Amino acid sequence: DAKTTQPTSMDCAEGRAANLPCNHSTISGNEYVYWYRQIHSQGPQYIIHGLKNNETNEMASLIITEDRKSSTLILPHATLRDTAVYYCIVMAGAQKLVFGQGTRLTINP
Amino acid sequence: GAVVSQHPSRVICKSGTSVKIECRSLDFQATTMFWYRQFPKQSLMLMATSNEGSKATYEQGVEKDKFLINHASLTLSTLTVTSAHPEDSSFYICSARLSSSILTGEQFFGPGTRLTVL
Repeated sequence: DAKTTQPTSMDCAEGRAANLPCNHSTISGNEYVYWYRQIHSQGPQYIIHGLKNNETNEMASLIITEDRKSSTLILPHATLRDTAVYYCIVMAGAQKLVFGQGTRLTINP
Repeated sequence: GAVVSQHPSRVICKSGTSVKIECRSLDFQATTMFWYRQFPKQSLMLMATSNEGSKATYEQGVEKDKFLINHASLTLSTLTVTSAHPEDSSFYICSARLSSSILTGEQFFGPGTRLTVL
């Protein structure tokens, strides 16, 4: 079973920052927080992952709370191509990715 | 980033036939590959974990005799849907985990194969 809770859907205006929340209150010390997204009829795309420190790459930023019970994925300047289902997954290294229902993010022009 | 390919991208077959789907890691070695299935408007469901040189590990409820998995090399895993029926119509997606990412578990996904069984 997925160990995360995400809103079912969100909307964001093009050009604005999209902030996607994720609750993972039962996360274990050795589990990472992963974010993937799936654009319609494509395979999931890796976005970012982190353990306890905030992370940033060319796609997004990941903010993890100090107690690690929740996190936020930030797309700094959302574009129409960022419309997708975003999955937050917690997993230790050698485990399996278990996908929940994710958040359907719609970027509006 | 690491690239994973799948072939074919789309296949239509008659009921009762078998279909083979290939998953390749193009620029890295993957000791572990995963096979998922996704029905319309649903999330991805893990079917099996494929380890190079050993038997696949199937998730509960997935018939291993119907979904044959072979992971013969560090860059290729195949999924064969045997005696396919219309209820097997789905989007099949593979992923590969970098051998060097055993601790972090990062996986890269293929583009998926849409199977339609008539």
